Amino acid sequence: GDSVTQMEGPVTLSEEAFLTINCTYTATGYPSLFWYVQYPGEGLQLLLKATKADDKGSNKGFEATYRKETTSFHLEKGSVQVSDSAVYFCALRTGNQFYFGTGTSLTVIP
Amino acid sequence: NAGVTQTPKFQVLKTGQSMTLQCAQDMNHEYMSWYRQDPGMGLRLIHYSVGAGITDQGEVPNGYNVSRSTTEDFPLRLLSAAPSQTSVYFCASRKQGRGITGWEQYFGPGTRLTVT
Repeated sequence: GDSVTQMEGPVTLSEEAFLTINCTYTATGYPSLFWYVQYPGEGLQLLLKATKADDKGSNKGFEATYRKETTSFHLEKGSVQVSDSAVYFCALRTGNQFYFGTGTSLTVIP
Repeated sequence: NAGVTQTPKFQVLKTGQSMTLQCAQDMNHEYMSWYRQDPGMGLRLIHYSVGAGITDQGEVPNGYNVSRSTTEDFPLRLLSAAPSQTSVYFCASRKQGRGITGWEQYFGPGTRLTVT
């Protein structure tokens, strides 16, 4: 079945470090791909998305490119801030169902 | 515009008790869904609905019932709670349709349920 595998955490980085969180997927057809962010005590918020191969989603300095050949959608940010500390979820949508990865906890220290 | 609201925020149940988790949205979204979030498991889809009167099962539907009598409300019922249902429950909604903006889901703040 369809699924998402993402890098396990937790990840701890110093402020201004480069961030990569790996995400790969298994899906039939042509899924849409998403990254969601969850701040402590809150629900998930959409961070960025890509709906077809080679699309790049970007928001708030975060980027991810839909790579069909490697079935990947890795999240990157060039310079993280303390305010980026959160849990990040990779997800895919096929039809009416969404499948989420297990989440990667990021802590950025000053 | 309140978005997606969920009540209660916290609940403790004894095994065998029943309860209903409430979810409402004021964005006129056709699609609504329930997820549970467990440590190391991410979010898993329980049930979803594409409109009033239409519901379907997700990945982990056993032990849960839903109905959708209005566009705004999508309650989740636990008929006989079990400790395995201890989790954080999220409701989400989105517009149903094609186009890039059609697939963004809006999540509620969650309900933390403990079953003893």
